[in-house]
Amino acid sequence: DTAVSQTPKYLVTQMGNDKSIKCEQNLGHDTMYWYKQDSKKFLKIMFSYNNKELIINETVPNRFSPKSPDKAHLNLHINSLELGDSAVYFCASSQRGAGMNTEAFFGQGTRLTVV
Amino acid sequence: AQSVSQHNHHVILSEAASLELGCNYSYGGTVNLFWYVQYPGQHLQLLLKYFSGDPLVKGIKGFEAEFIKSKFSFNLRKPSVQWSDTAEYFCAVKVDTGRRALTFGSGTRLQVQP
Repeated sequence: DTAVSQTPKYLVTQMGNDKSIKCEQNLGHDTMYWYKQDSKKFLKIMFSYNNKELIINETVPNRFSPKSPDKAHLNLHINSLELGDSAVYFCASSQRGAGMNTEAFFGQGTRLTVV
Repeated sequence: AQSVSQHNHHVILSEAASLELGCNYSYGGTVNLFWYVQYPGQHLQLLLKYFSGDPLVKGIKGFEAEFIKSKFSFNLRKPSVQWSDTAEYFCAVKVDTGRRALTFGSGTRLQVQP
C-alpha cells in the first residue's frame, strides 16, 4: 500500500486553466504538506495543515488554494495557471507535524507542465 | 530564518569510491536533521535522521551522517558507492521555533559511474 499517494502523476495543461492535484495518506498522520520543487530541484514549503487547520501558508500566489476535507486528504487547487507554475509538486505527511522529532513521508510527486 | 547549504551541487564518482556530501545549517537552537534521496523520477525517501543522542547516525543502504553541533554540520557519508546510488540528495532541517516545516538545501546530484 502506498503511504502517501498523489494524483495525477503527470499533468499537462494550458495557461489560464484551473486544475487540482489530490493527495491522500493512509498513515494516520495529523499533518499534511505541499512542497514545490522547481526546475533546479529546489524544494520549498507551500502549505501545511494540521487536523484540517491551515498552519503554514507561505508566500504563494492566492491562485493556489489548499483544501483539506479530512485529516487524510489535502488537495491543491490552482486557478489561472501560468507558465511559471510548471514544477513538481510533492505532498507529504507527518505525525505531530508541528512538533519536533517527527519525520515527513513524501508522495511520488505531480509533474505539472503549463504550456 | 534558518537556511541549509549544500556545497556540492554535482558530484561524479566511480563505483567503490567513498562519498561525503556536505550540509551546513544556520540555526543556533534545537534542530532535527534529515537526509532524503530522490532517485530519478521518484519521490523523496528518507535516508536517515538525527533527533538527539549519538551524533553519528546510520541510515539505510549503508549511509551514515555525523552531526557536529559546533560546526552546524550534518555531512552524509558512504564508504563505497554503487551505481544504484546515482540520485539527488537533499539535506533538510527542522527547528524548534516558528512554523516547523522542513527547510531543504538545494540538493546534490550524485552520479556514480560503473
